[in-house]
Amino acid sequence: EIVMTQSPATLSVSPGERATLSCRASQSVSSNLAWYQQKPGQAPRLLIYGASTRATGIPARFSGSGSGTEFTLTISSLQSEDFAVYYCQQYNNWPVTFGGGTKVEIK
Amino acid sequence: EVQLVESGGGLVQPGRSLRLSCTASGFTFGDYAMSWVRQAPGKGLEWVGFIRSKAYGGTTEYAASVKGRFTISRDDSKSIAYLQMNSLKTEDTAVYYCTRVMRGRYYFDYWGQGTLVTVSS
Repeated sequence: EIVMTQSPATLSVSPGERATLSCRASQSVSSNLAWYQQKPGQAPRLLIYGASTRATGIPARFSGSGSGTEFTLTISSLQSEDFAVYYCQQYNNWPVTFGGGTKVEIK
Repeated sequence: EVQLVESGGGLVQPGRSLRLSCTASGFTFGDYAMSWVRQAPGKGLEWVGFIRSKAYGGTTEYAASVKGRFTISRDDSKSIAYLQMNSLKTEDTAVYYCTRVMRGRYYFDYWGQGTLVTVSS
């Protein structure tokens, strides 16, 4: 099973600042990586797939990069609605696995 | 608009069974694989299982933690996916989300709002 490790566990950022979230895979997952956003009391929402392709309706301030074992989700200028927990997920191998999440909180 | 609505959650004793349903609308249900993902209270996401579309045999895959106890099925005529959970354990307590699986890939492009399953005596 591929282990996905996200860092940091918590990221404190001021509105308008840039946030950079990391996700590392225990072995190569090629570009088969997705990012999800989850707000309190809500279901997760797909943000990014294929490591760098934004899902339908996702603002351009969200961008993904990386391949192999190292991936990054960048939020260029944090808006109030972006404070949430973010999960990465690999779908290159069975079973599909999620990272433990990064909570982005208001500084 | 794609919608996934889960139902069937509730309080159940350890060792008992429960069946969850996921009613889909807004897309051609039979063309898509469907999956269940769960989230224990205050924890992260855990993939539970997956059922392929009939075009790909309707076969299933399960996480090791539920294999042999949980079964996913589908009724394409009703646009419903099911999660039959047997021999429930306290560690199965979680919100269970129904998800649509992107064609040709195994990520989840739409999620339901989830249904809470509490396993406790």
